[in-house]
Amino acid sequence: RKEVEQDPGPFNVPEGATVAFNCTYSNSASQSFFWYRQDCRKEPKLLMSVYSSGNEDGRFTAQLNRASQYISLLIRDSKLSDSATYLCVVNGRSGNTGKLIFGQGTTLQVKP
Amino acid sequence: EAGVAQSPRYKIIEKRQSVAFWCNPISGHATLYWYQQILGQGPKLLIQFQNNGVVDDSQLPKDRFSAERLKGVDSTLKIQPAKLEDSAVYLCASSLAGGPDTQYFGPGTRLTVL
Repeated sequence: RKEVEQDPGPFNVPEGATVAFNCTYSNSASQSFFWYRQDCRKEPKLLMSVYSSGNEDGRFTAQLNRASQYISLLIRDSKLSDSATYLCVVNGRSGNTGKLIFGQGTTLQVKP
Repeated sequence: EAGVAQSPRYKIIEKRQSVAFWCNPISGHATLYWYQQILGQGPKLLIQFQNNGVVDDSQLPKDRFSAERLKGVDSTLKIQPAKLEDSAVYLCASSLAGGPDTQYFGPGTRLTVL
């Protein structure tokens, strides 16, 4: 089983749609969770951290369910510029909390 | 603020040849990471340095890969000899202090092994 699992997609949605991505992780000791965004042929960039209470940044909402070891990202009112790959990321096992484990990414294509 | 610098941006070599990649992290960042990203996959950590010491190299194929960060600033990753399956983007990242800090990635080096 992969440590971080995501549906690779692609998700093809029209502008203005709401889309949700899910991710599961296997290490119950993980303490930190993130969504990174990666544009085609570019480096990953932090989109947002994910907190236990859930958090929102504009059109983006992230949720964490520790009991189910499940993370989600909701994008409202999709824009063409949201087209990218979204990487679910958790920190590694205790002893090296700087080690990030990346999912394979979910590709989003927003169409006009 | 200058970002993470990497060179070269692209490299094409034949299998069994050697190749080296260079990374200069963001100024003041103590922690430096090398990742391998194969097409269609997420980045995989190869090695993590804290200053000039290795924190984690558990996923580094040590029979052919080596990395150093001698003065605790810039770093070099070497592959010798390269195999076809080493074709990937090699990403360098840095963070201020290690731990679950935000990691900032460089643009990567795209390696093609023929």
